[in-house]
Amino acid sequence: EDQVTQSPEALRLQEGESSSLNCSYTVSGLRGLFWYRQDPGKGPEFLFTLYSAGEEKEKERLKATLTKKESFLHITAPKPEDSATYLCAVHYNNNDMRFGAGTRLTVKP
Amino acid sequence: DGGITQSPKYLFRKEGQNVTLSCEQNLNHDAMYWYRQDPGQGLRLIYYSQIVNDFQKGDIAEGYSVSREKKESFPLTVTSAQKNPTAFYLCASSTDRNYEQYFGPGTRLTVT
Repeated sequence: EDQVTQSPEALRLQEGESSSLNCSYTVSGLRGLFWYRQDPGKGPEFLFTLYSAGEEKEKERLKATLTKKESFLHITAPKPEDSATYLCAVHYNNNDMRFGAGTRLTVKP
Repeated sequence: DGGITQSPKYLFRKEGQNVTLSCEQNLNHDAMYWYRQDPGQGLRLIYYSQIVNDFQKGDIAEGYSVSREKKESFPLTVTSAQKNPTAFYLCASSTDRNYEQYFGPGTRLTVT
């Protein structure tokens, strides 16, 4: 069955404490993997697209990487304003798209 | 400013009533989507449209209907046949099906 699994479900960090979020997928014919940030009660905000294993993208304190079966979102020296839910989505086959349930990140000052 | 608007932000309805959620975009995107988001679950696709006057069912289309008469607009009707309509509804658009999607602010629907 095609699945996208994000872990952990929730992550609490101290300000400055770097960590990584995981998105693993069991789909065939990967066409792209997307990362989004979602604040409570708002729509997701696009962060990155990754297309092939080995690809990396960076934006401020965030860096996304992709392997054949998973993607990581690395957060370096996070700040309280990085607190949000981070979603990954996988585009596969011809027109299929599946979202993970998200990781809820809390960064304490 | 280009973007996607959804209205209203909050919507309350009585059980048995149909309700229509608005979604408008001025990004000149061809593809538009409707998702439903429930606590602890990933976004689930209700309907999508890649071109005007054409749309396809997503994973959970039962109890919903859409229209795409204009490129900019993709309204979603939640019918009385939808058994559990209370949820957060998100509209999105993209250049085409292969590219990243941009989301609106969402509409929270409560049916009692």
